[in-house]
Order: sequence, then structure tokens, then C-alpha cells
Amino acid sequence: EAGVTQFPSHSVIEKGQTVTLRCDPISGHDNLYWYRRVMGKEIKFLLHFVKESKQDESGMPNNRFLAERTGGTYSTLKVQPAELEDSGVYFCASSQGTEQYFGPGTRLTVT
Amino acid sequence: GQQVMQIPQYQHVQEGEDFTTYCNSSTTLSNIQWYKQRPGGHPVFLIQLVKSGEVKKQKRLTFQFGEAKKNSSLHITATQTTDVGTYFCAVYQAGTALIFGKGTTLSVSS
Repeated sequence: EAGVTQFPSHSVIEKGQTVTLRCDPISGHDNLYWYRRVMGKEIKFLLHFVKESKQDESGMPNNRFLAERTGGTYSTLKVQPAELEDSGVYFCASSQGTEQYFGPGTRLTVT
Repeated sequence: GQQVMQIPQYQHVQEGEDFTTYCNSSTTLSNIQWYKQRPGGHPVFLIQLVKSGEVKKQKRLTFQFGEAKKNSSLHITATQTTDVGTYFCAVYQAGTALIFGKGTTLSVSS
């Protein structure tokens, strides 16, 4: 069974540019989560999809972040325009129960 | 919102020594999960505890959930270099997401 995949693995962009991160969950998992870990700090929740619906987006930092999950399959997280403080590792996770399976993450560096 | 405090933030041990990380909450927890993240890797689920006083073992790892369900610990016996990484406790909130502790980063020298 394929795990959670994320693309790209790394992204380096300049402040003010736009970046789109993609997550493909484990097939059949209705729940999809986005998390972010800023250097040396805890992993923080961003938002949660159940199928194509946003269940909880209380962790989204501001309106520069837009997440979608069209058709309830893969999800994208767009940051526009990117700021320096957006740098970090963005993890996607999926689940069908309480155990969450994390993807390898996208390391975003905003310069 | 619910928070979990995790200590210590860093721990360095000699190979063969034991290691413990602690997770505490001011409120009663419905469950506690533990994850391990290797350097450069992603969090990997280790275990979930739900019962008061629960103790579970995985080889050299022992997980405990306090009687009051306000604290938990992960103990590694006789650490090995393969144990290096960051250990996170997390609380699963039904219908939403995991609330993570800040993690304990373990380094092991041989």
C-alpha cells in the first residue's frame, strides 16, 4: 500500500511569490490534515478535511493560505504571497481512524 | 485550547543509557499518542494510550499513561544509535486534529 506522498520535497522561493504544495493521501482515507513545523518548534495543526469538506481550518495562520481538496482525493495548499515567516516543513497526514500517517513533508524556504 | 507540555526539550545520552521523556497536561486527556521523527524524516506513529494507568511495551520502549490521565511518559531502555530523533506526544481530538507537544530531541553517542 502506498503511503502519503507530498510534492515538492523542497521549495525555495522569494518573498512575495506564490507556492503550491500538493499532498496525495493514502487511498481510501477520508481524513486529510495539514501541519507545519517551524524550525525547532512544535508541529502545529493547520487544517483538516473530511473528504472534500473543510472540517476545521482554525490553524490556518491568515488568508494568505488557501487549501483545497477537490473531489476528496489529493489536496493542495497555496501560499500567496509568501512571507519569510512561512518557512518551515509542511506535513500532510491522512487517516481513517485515530492513527495518522504522515507524508515526507515539503521543506519551504522563503528568502 | 488543549495543550500538552513535554520535557525535556533535548537529551543527550551515551549508548546503553536509559532515556525518558514526559508529557503533561493541566486537563484530563482522552488519549495520548506518541510519534517519532528521525532527523530529516516525518512523524511516525508509535502507539496510542487511552486507559488510566495503561502501560504498553514495544521492545525497549515502555509507554505509560498516568492514573489521572494528565500525564504520560516514554521510556527507552539501553538506548541505541538508531533511537536518535525527536519524540512527540500528541493528543487526538475527535473530529479534528492532533495537538502536539514540542517534542524531545534525543541524541545518542556511541
